[in-house]
Order: sequence, then structure tokens, then C-alpha cells
Amino acid sequence: DAKTTQPPSMDCAEGRAANLPCNHSTISGNEYVYWYRQIHSQGPQYIIHGLKNNETNEMASLIITEDRKSSTLILPHATLRDTAVYYCIVRVWETSGSRLTFGEGTQLTVNP
Amino acid sequence: KAGVTQTPRYLIKTRGQQVTLSCSPISGHRSVSWYQQTPGQGLQFLFEYFSETQRNKGNFPGRFSGRQFSNSRSEMNVSTLELGDSALYLCASSSGVSTEAFFGQGTRLTVV
Repeated sequence: DAKTTQPPSMDCAEGRAANLPCNHSTISGNEYVYWYRQIHSQGPQYIIHGLKNNETNEMASLIITEDRKSSTLILPHATLRDTAVYYCIVRVWETSGSRLTFGEGTQLTVNP
Repeated sequence: KAGVTQTPRYLIKTRGQQVTLSCSPISGHRSVSWYQQTPGQGLQFLFEYFSETQRNKGNFPGRFSGRQFSNSRSEMNVSTLELGDSALYLCASSSGVSTEAFFGQGTRLTVV
């Protein structure tokens, strides 16, 4: 699985959009970008994933650059409950196994 | 539908003992993966089971083992516990085809 680079921490004001960047310059053509988050001492929560097109669901939007070397997770209206560690992971779809390789992630703090 | 259930939530064991942790996946999911999370090493993949067979294995010593039953429930066992085995152990389930994994709340193991 390709390596990802994320800033260690970010702050965001409540109600504003939180934009979390991820660099994955060595991503392969068949690797997807996944985002998970982990609120303190809980299990990671799946947020969204994509291959090359931008994706949106009820939680967030995922913007992937045209060259696929980086992506941004957008939480459109951050709340205090969005304070968590956010992990960007790249991996092959339908590989023989569901192994996820977690990096350090970004600690997002949403301030009132 | 019910999420991933891990039992027990908290456990205290003594060095040298063994421990068994349990994970019940989401109904219909056939893949169960286990992860260890420590402050120093972060989230690390232990192994994955699919249809009662180990499909993927991380870089952990043989003291860490697991199995999966015909109803997809999984157990992991750690023998000859060491202080360094103190961690949050997380279980994730997926359908086995989609790599979208859903995590349980984890079992917090403390070895004294």
C-alpha cells in the first residue's frame, strides 16, 4: 500500500469547513483513497473513499487531484463532535484481504 | 442493524497469563480483521480471517493467534502476556468483497 503524508494537527472553528489534506504521491493506478476517523478511545469510523472522481456522502466530501497524488477531505460544517484523529489510507480495491495500513493521521480540533 | 461487538471491553491480566478476546461481526460480514493500537506504535494490523481461514497476517510474534467460527465470529488469543501487550485491541468486519471495514469499540487490555 502507498505511503501517505498528513499534517499532525489542524484547528477549525465550529460551523466552518474543515479541509484535511493528504499527500499520496506514490499512489498506483488501482489504489483507492480511504478516510477514517477515530474519536478518542473508540474504534475508527469509516468516512468516505474514492478512486479518481470527487465523492460526497452525508458525512464529507473527498476531492482527489487530477494526478491523484493528493486529496482533501472536507467536512462542510464542522461541529465539536468532529474533533478526532483523521486517517488517510490508500489501498488496492478487492485485494485478497482487507488490511488497512494506518499512518499517524491528523488530529483535528474543532473549537467553539 | 447491529454493529461490531467486542467483548470484554476492559481486561486486566498478569504477565505470563494468556487472554482470549471475542469479536462478533456485522451480520452477513464474512471478513474479520484484528488490530492493535498502542501510543507508541499506533494502529497495527494483526491478522484477517475470511470464511474461517486466515487470509492475511501482520508482523506479530506467534504468541498472537486467532480463529474464526462458521458463524463468522472471531477470537484472538495472546499467550504468555508481556507488559508491552497492553493495548487497545480492535476488531473490524467487512463483507470480504468491499474493503469498507467497520470497527468495534475495542477491548482495552492491561497487563500488569
